[in-house]
Amino acid sequence: DARVTQTPRDKVTEMGQEVTMRCQPILGHNTVFWYRQTMMQGLELLAYFRNRAPLDDSGMPKDRFSAEMPDATLATLKIQPSEPRDSAVYFCASGSGTISYNEQFFGPGTRLTVL
Amino acid sequence: AQKITQTQPGMFVQEKEAVTLDCTYDTSDQSYGLFWYKQPSSGEMIFLIYQGSYDEQNATEGRYSLNFQKARKSANLVISASQLGDSAMYFCAMGQMNYGGSQGNLIFGKGTKLSVKP
Repeated sequence: DARVTQTPRDKVTEMGQEVTMRCQPILGHNTVFWYRQTMMQGLELLAYFRNRAPLDDSGMPKDRFSAEMPDATLATLKIQPSEPRDSAVYFCASGSGTISYNEQFFGPGTRLTVL
Repeated sequence: AQKITQTQPGMFVQEKEAVTLDCTYDTSDQSYGLFWYKQPSSGEMIFLIYQGSYDEQNATEGRYSLNFQKARKSANLVISASQLGDSAMYFCAMGQMNYGGSQGNLIFGKGTKLSVKP
């Protein structure tokens, strides 16, 4: 049963600290998305990659957020320095270009709390 | 710009009855896909059903069906024979239709919280 995995599942940190979230997409999927979910904004796209190349990171605050795919099995989202307003659930999703529609499989999310 | 609107913040339904969750969308694209995801209290996002903009028949997946009215730009989710386990947030989303790998991100609505009463 192929699944997207994310670590950590929960992270509590203090303002100013660096936070790194990791995602392992489903093997063979060529597209990886990072979404953020908050009560106020709902689900919003932060960045996405196709074949490891960044395609769109317009939803991401560039001064503190960065997203990378060091290899096909790992995507990272880093916040440095973190702020209380970054508290949210961060979802990674992956998708395949081999199917006829862009169903995205979501990971369980990382719940981030910045104090 | 693409936009998804879900006008029902919360809905109640009696167990075993059917319920319709509303979703309207706005896009200038000719090719697009519409999706529904379920998010239970545990937090994971579960894919339920998909409808392509060129599909002439409404999509069905078990107890889920999508009432697609293209001219009205609506894609309502119908859940038949509601179960207690259906209590969750439901999100409507729209994305670029994929022909040969050009997959894009999803735009989500704000969601509808469905509560199933015993």
